[in-house]
Amino acid sequence: GIQVEQSPPDLILQEGANSTLRCNFSDSVNNLQWFHQNPWGQLINLFYIPSGTKQNGRLSATTVATERYSLLYISSSQTTDSGVYFCAVGRPKAAGNKLTFGGGTRVLVKP
Amino acid sequence: NAGVTQTPKFQVLKTGQSMTLQCAQDMNHEYMSWYRQDPGMGLRLIHYSVGAGITDQGEVPNGYNVSRSTTEDFPLRLLSAAPSQTSVYFCASRLGRTEAFFGQGTRLTVV
Repeated sequence: GIQVEQSPPDLILQEGANSTLRCNFSDSVNNLQWFHQNPWGQLINLFYIPSGTKQNGRLSATTVATERYSLLYISSSQTTDSGVYFCAVGRPKAAGNKLTFGGGTRVLVKP
Repeated sequence: NAGVTQTPKFQVLKTGQSMTLQCAQDMNHEYMSWYRQDPGMGLRLIHYSVGAGITDQGEVPNGYNVSRSTTEDFPLRLLSAAPSQTSVYFCASRLGRTEAFFGQGTRLTVV
């Protein structure tokens, strides 16, 4: 099956810093989503971005499907950005529209 | 518009007990699925449904049953709970192969 690798696995930031999270995937996809899992365990949708670039406030994401990677940018980080960030991909014709998740990047933003 | 609603949020079971995790969505999505999240293993697909009356197995279906009698509801049944089923369970729904939305999760402990 498709492999999804996220880097770095852990990230410690000082409040106000910028950061880039990366998601590499091993095969063609027609779906890519970024999620934030907050300290209470909720999965929050950040971006649905199978290709191109999107921005939402301090967060932005870029997916280059032909090169099989996606980047999530966090600017001016805040303590509420702490948690785990997951990239999930879906393949064309995947049974059940299955999403395959990466291992996540655990982010800690210190005040 | 509540999105995807899961109940209960927390549950403790004794080995051998049965229970049903409830999932409901109000977005008229045809695709619904159940994932489990375990430390170090990401989210894995248990069962999915492509519409009312149609269900199929995912990656880790053993020990779980599902049914889909309506578009809105997709309950997950544990017939005889085992400690290996201790996990966090997420229900998701999506319209076609677009953005998936997840419920708040159910944290299940089997003792």
